[in-house]
Amino acid sequence: GAVVSQHPSRVICKSGTSVKIECRSLDFQATTMFWYRQFPKQSLMLMATSNEGSKATYEQGVEKDKFLINHASLTLSTLTVTSAHPEDSSFYICSGTLAGGGTDTQYFGPGTRLTVL
Amino acid sequence: GNSVTQMEGPVTLSEEAFLTINCTYTATGYPSLFWYVQYPGEGLQLLLKATKADDKGSNKGFEATYRKETTSFHLEKGSVQVSDSAVYFCALSGGDYGGSQGNLIFGKGTKLSVKP
Repeated sequence: GAVVSQHPSRVICKSGTSVKIECRSLDFQATTMFWYRQFPKQSLMLMATSNEGSKATYEQGVEKDKFLINHASLTLSTLTVTSAHPEDSSFYICSGTLAGGGTDTQYFGPGTRLTVL
Repeated sequence: GNSVTQMEGPVTLSEEAFLTINCTYTATGYPSLFWYVQYPGEGLQLLLKATKADDKGSNKGFEATYRKETTSFHLEKGSVQVSDSAVYFCALSGGDYGGSQGNLIFGKGTKLSVKP
């Protein structure tokens, strides 16, 4: 149980285009979803926290107008990288926490590799 | 601010060897501590956790003890298998408010390779 999927798993796009990444909780309802990015040989860095039906809370230094997050339902959150540039190339990972299950345990998706040319 | 430091890899061991991956943390208050594992091509999975000092988390032969006096949460396994090859992440959450706040702070990860 507690499976999270991400789509696509890998995307290559041209500089200046926008890319949408989906995060779905397949067998549970996630009141809170988190978005991380991971650079090679670096740890996961939290980008934002989103609660279903409300605006996302962004970490310091993360541009909210560039990384648009929508958490429209208890099973789906999307991250849109707008006007992508090569420096946005990274591994993006989402996670969700169980509704009513406390916030200690996060269930992670497999990640999306974004390459911006 | 809160932070996690774990030993850099990669770590290469022979099957049945003893494993230790060191993890220390900096945090005020009483954070919860976690070890996550990422197998090739898969997402992070919770391996074990401990929520208060002297707690021992254990799973699949792995264990780690929450040591507040040394601010450590070292991961150990007595006899590793080839199937344990993965990247291991130490993480913490909460702290200042005495409970989880949901935000996880990760170490950089340690890649473990186990040879037959």
